[in-house]
Amino acid sequence: AQSVTQLGSHVSVSEGALVLLRCNYSSSVPPYLFWYVQYPNQGLQLLLKYTTGATLVKGINGFEAEFKKSETSFHLTKPSAHMSDAAEYFCAVHTGGFKTIFGAGTRLFVKA
Amino acid sequence: EAGVTQFPSHSVIEKGQTVTLRCDPISGHDNLYWYRRVMGKEIKFLLHFVKESKQDESGMPNNRFLAERTGGTYSTLKVQPAELEDSGVYFCASSQDARANSPLHFGNGTRLTVT
Repeated sequence: AQSVTQLGSHVSVSEGALVLLRCNYSSSVPPYLFWYVQYPNQGLQLLLKYTTGATLVKGINGFEAEFKKSETSFHLTKPSAHMSDAAEYFCAVHTGGFKTIFGAGTRLFVKA
Repeated sequence: EAGVTQFPSHSVIEKGQTVTLRCDPISGHDNLYWYRRVMGKEIKFLLHFVKESKQDESGMPNNRFLAERTGGTYSTLKVQPAELEDSGVYFCASSQDARANSPLHFGNGTRLTVT
């Protein structure tokens, strides 16, 4: 069975600091991996996705994530946090079939 | 293009009452999904439509939940009778196809509170 674990339900960083949101997955087959972001009172939006090919994936708003098969990880990073990055972030895995499996989410706080 | 729209955005009902949630997917998207998030936990799959047919409803909690997608356009999710544990945010999503690398397009969700 597939599963997704996001380490840390809350992460707080200072504006301009590195953002690192951790995601580990469990899958018996090569996964497709996604990061979604949810801003207050909005639906989830796709930040980036890994399907095949290059393991370092760049997304919107300066975010990127690296697929590491040996570590079963897909951590999300951004070199310099901005106040507008404050939101909840969800890691998700899709391994075929019709279900996308989500992690519990990490809420990012950005301090001025 | 118009995004996925959900109605209502909020609903507060008493235990035992009935509530119907509606989702209008992006035009042309044959695949429609319902998900639910209960109190800060993970977003859980409820069911998947391909056009008007239920492809997978393995995530539906029990027979108090009924989803329909008449004509393969909008979908409704009815909870009857509602229980306290049904409270949460119900998300609808659509995609053009169901391939594993196709991202989901989400609506803003319906926050359901059962008192």
